[in-house]
Formats: sequence, C-alpha cells, structure tokens
Amino acid sequence: DGGITQSPKYLFRKEGQNVTLSCEQNLNHDAMYWYRQDPGQGLRLIYYSQIVNDFQKGDIAEGYSVSREKKESFPLTVTSAQKNPTAFYLCASRAGTGGIESQPQHFGDGTRLSIL
Amino acid sequence: AQSVTQLGSHVSVSEGALVLLRCNYSSSVPPYLFWYVQYPNQGLQLLLKYTSAATLVKGINGFEAEFKKSETSFHLTKPSAHMSDAAEYFCAVSDPLTGGGNKLTFGTGTQLKVEL
Repeated sequence: DGGITQSPKYLFRKEGQNVTLSCEQNLNHDAMYWYRQDPGQGLRLIYYSQIVNDFQKGDIAEGYSVSREKKESFPLTVTSAQKNPTAFYLCASRAGTGGIESQPQHFGDGTRLSIL
Repeated sequence: AQSVTQLGSHVSVSEGALVLLRCNYSSSVPPYLFWYVQYPNQGLQLLLKYTSAATLVKGINGFEAEFKKSETSFHLTKPSAHMSDAAEYFCAVSDPLTGGGNKLTFGTGTQLKVEL
C-alpha cells in the first residue's frame, strides 16, 4: 500500500545533540512537508519542498534543517539550536500535478521527540 | 494572510446526538478547504475537502460539511455521533491565489468527546 513512513515513532534527544527524523513516501508525490504539533496550537509548518534539491522555510524553521536528495525522502534534523524541541513531528506529502492547491496533504503517523 | 478559526477547543456530545464542529476562514477569494481527523499518537486523516465543485461535501465516516461563502464558514457535521468519532478534528485552508498552494494553514483543532 502507498503511504508515508516516519521513523522512529519515539525519539529522545540529549542536550547539545542533533537528531534526524526520517520521512519516506511511496506515493510518487512531488511536494513534502514537515510540521510541528504542540498541544492547543495546531500544526505549524517547519519546512517544505516542492521538488528534489529544493526546499523552503516555513513559519518556524529556526533550529531545524532538511534535505531533499531523493523524491521519496525528506529527512528533518532537529539541531541543538532548537531550544524547545519536545513536540510531535508530522511529515506530509502532496501530489504536484493538477492544481496542487486543491490536493489534500497525506500524513505519516508522526515522531514524538522528547528531551532527556 | 489567510487564517482559520475553530470555535471551541473542546466539544462534548452524547452518543447518537448531532455533531457540529465550527470552522471559519479568512481569505481574499474562496479557498480550498479541508477537514482532517487525528486519533491519539497518529497522523492526520482526510475526512473531506471542498474544491468549489459543490457547496455540500460528503466525506468518510458519515461526516459532511457545507461551504458558505457569505459566512466564510465550513462547519463539519454528522447526524449521529458514535463513540469511535472521539478524536481531534482540524480544519485547514489552501488559498489558490497567494502562490502558497504548497502550504495549508491549520486551525488549532477541536477535541470531540462522545459520551454514553
């Protein structure tokens, strides 16, 4: 079945450590996104990518970095510069043809990041 | 900038009662609108979407929503609540004119509780 796989499900970060969250999709979607979810705040966009080797900052990009070397993969690195990284992180993808604005985003099951 | 307001962060209904979750948007033109559902520790699942084909949109699990341009609203309803409907619901908007077609703006969510 086509879908989005996020790993790991749970992740713990030590102070001063960078950690990388994996996101893989086999939907052949062009666009991919990373969101951060905190209780009562909805979803906030961190980074997004419309095509391979290109990505743009979202609303809360500070302390995060991404890469898009393959269409299927869009990993997110939470750097030590992100002082409050504890949150639920969601990856999504979206078809890039036929009027992308009307296409829904498809989501993975998330990674919960906590600080040790 | 477009925005989404979900009135009521928590809604409680009895099993078998009507479910009404409110969503209002601000956009310069009629946008594309989406409702998603999220169960604990999972990603978001698309319930339904409005893309200008019809103002009354039917989705999965018996949910439907009506787009009302005059009220800038896209409220989600279900005639009879079931215990399995207990979850968090998010309204999202995509503005076709801002070029932010790659970005969805989410509301802060409504937690639906269903009581016996």
